[in-house]
Amino acid sequence: AAGVIQSPRHLIKEKRETATLKCYPIPRHDTVYWYQQGPGQDPQFLISFYEKMQSDKGSIPDRFSAQQFSDYHSELNMSSLELGDSALYFCASSLPTGHGNEQFFGPGTRLTVL
Amino acid sequence: GEDVEQSLFLSVREGDSSVINCTYTDSSSTYLYWYKQEPGAGLQLLTYIFSNMDMKQDQRLTVLLNKKDKHLSLRIADTQTGDSAIYFCAENPSGRADGLTFGKGTHLIIQP
Repeated sequence: AAGVIQSPRHLIKEKRETATLKCYPIPRHDTVYWYQQGPGQDPQFLISFYEKMQSDKGSIPDRFSAQQFSDYHSELNMSSLELGDSALYFCASSLPTGHGNEQFFGPGTRLTVL
Repeated sequence: GEDVEQSLFLSVREGDSSVINCTYTDSSSTYLYWYKQEPGAGLQLLTYIFSNMDMKQDQRLTVLLNKKDKHLSLRIADTQTGDSAIYFCAENPSGRADGLTFGKGTHLIIQP
């Protein structure tokens, strides 16, 4: 079965640089979520989009922005990167209605900021 | 505010049952979830339970929900070495498209 696709899988950046992470949801899923997981930590919700509109907002820094496009894929843009931004970034997607709002996670993008 | 708590470690012998516990504080949580994460990997959705249910069983997995005490548990029968991972419980505070709030995760260690 098709899963959530994230690219790139690994990314190395320097402080103050920018990064763009991409997420392709499971086909027919219209809702996308972004999470950040630091080393040894639980995933922290950043932001979500439903039908290309921002749906819920968590602990996303002002330096980060995200959007969902007409084909439902999403991009997380990160600027002025800091050492503390080094983490695993997960994207998840879910079906339109019901189904327990099950969120299916992608394999993650490992961002290292030097 | 939501807060989800779990024990950090659980050690069981291979073949025994594992019971991983979780407490949550948001009484409006509609759905509660269990995810599994192996080292360096993504989060795998194991199962979920709707807040009007007490129990849900899926093969080796049994989820129990005590809504009065806001307590959730995951029982894994006949624990195998492949079950070794971090198990996260998570809550969805209200409706659709909301971000999940995760517990800190329980490291399940399997002894031969």
